[in-house]
Amino acid sequence: KNEVEQSPQNLTAQEGEFITINCSYSVGISALHWLQQHPGGGIVSLFMLSSGKKKHGRLIATINIQEKHSSLHITASHPRDSAVYICAVAPSGGGADGLTFGKGTHLIIQP
Amino acid sequence: NAGVTQTPKFQVLKTGQSMTLQCAQDMNHEYMSWYRQDPGMGLRLIHYSVGAGITDQGEVPNGYNVSRSTTEDFPLRLLSAAPSQTSVYFCASSYVSSFNEQFFGPGTRLTVL
Repeated sequence: KNEVEQSPQNLTAQEGEFITINCSYSVGISALHWLQQHPGGGIVSLFMLSSGKKKHGRLIATINIQEKHSSLHITASHPRDSAVYICAVAPSGGGADGLTFGKGTHLIIQP
Repeated sequence: NAGVTQTPKFQVLKTGQSMTLQCAQDMNHEYMSWYRQDPGMGLRLIHYSVGAGITDQGEVPNGYNVSRSTTEDFPLRLLSAAPSQTSVYFCASSYVSSFNEQFFGPGTRLTVL
């Protein structure tokens, strides 16, 4: 079973700061997902990546397959970025099994 | 498109009662899955399906049944509810597998007394 660890568990920052959330996993994967869960509870997909780097607006996700590590960066953070960010991994070998999730990083951006 | 829908949003059961959590998607996705979210535990996979007529167990399947008679629907049945099943339940779908972008329903908050 893949072990997925996220750090930090909680992060409070000031508006405008550069944010980094880390995710590491123990077993090889086919893909890694970054998800966002807002206080209302809904979960949305931010990125799905299997190599390299992806960028969407102020969000950047990177993955290093050899080191089994991924990072999610938020540039010019804003209070609306306050949410729980969840890392999830899909198993290698076709992905027929479900995702394994980290416990999430609770991010608060103060104005 | 409505995306992934779940009903009900909230439910309170007594120990031993049975109920079905509904999940439907209108994106013609083959892969559907059920997760439960508990404080401090993260999301955990209950059951998943890779297509109509095919289901399999996830990490925490005990006490739950699923079926997939159509591509659109993937109901989760609690046969005899227990307080340990108090949780928030999320249904998700994707094109083919957990390798693809996941679309989540809004969740069902279940309390078992």
